[in-house]
Amino acid sequence: NAGVTQTPKFQVLKTGQSMTLQCAQDMNHNSMYWYRQDPGMGLRLIYYSASEGTTDKGEVPNGYNVSRLNKREFSLRLESAAPSQTSVYFCASSLGQDQPQHFGDGTRLSIL
Amino acid sequence: AQRVTQPEKLLSVFKGAPVELKCNYSYSGSPELFWYVQYSRQRLQLLLRHISRESIKGFTADLNKGETSFHLKKPFAQEEDSAMYYCALSGRGGGFKTIFGAGTRLFVKA
Repeated sequence: NAGVTQTPKFQVLKTGQSMTLQCAQDMNHNSMYWYRQDPGMGLRLIYYSASEGTTDKGEVPNGYNVSRLNKREFSLRLESAAPSQTSVYFCASSLGQDQPQHFGDGTRLSIL
Repeated sequence: AQRVTQPEKLLSVFKGAPVELKCNYSYSGSPELFWYVQYSRQRLQLLLRHISRESIKGFTADLNKGETSFHLKKPFAQEEDSAMYYCALSGRGGGFKTIFGAGTRLFVKA
């Protein structure tokens, strides 16, 4: 049982490049989330999907887009990467929005 | 506005000493509160939630609505407790978006 799987684990991009981070969960969870983790700032919510077919902005959505492809998969896209988006990105899922979240291993993204 | 404050970035204690990781929150209504932990080279995972009133790995946390706090406590710290701890809040008033604190790194010295 893999839980939440994120790919890739590491990525280096040049400013202006685009990239999609993939996330899949095998727990039949309804809600999925994307966070970024920066030193001294904890985890900040980028986008979330309360249920299949819906997506909503979180605290720091600018520069990102998401797709809830199906119940299992929730991808995060950077259309034109900027150095300020250098961070560790975490995907998470939960049975419902007020339920505990299960996290992936994270993607370490560096933008030069 | 919802807010979670963890005032200590780093907390260092000796093995066997009591430990308290502070968490204060700002929220209108009845929040759901959680503590998550991230051990070295492991995933962020749930440690406990206030609604379950459990003791996990010797840790407890009591919701104090008067002081708007949800401090995490353990009477005798162990070296394996060294990790990053995040307090988190969710609730209907915030559209169930989960807000995380900045985290406290606990270092338990031998």
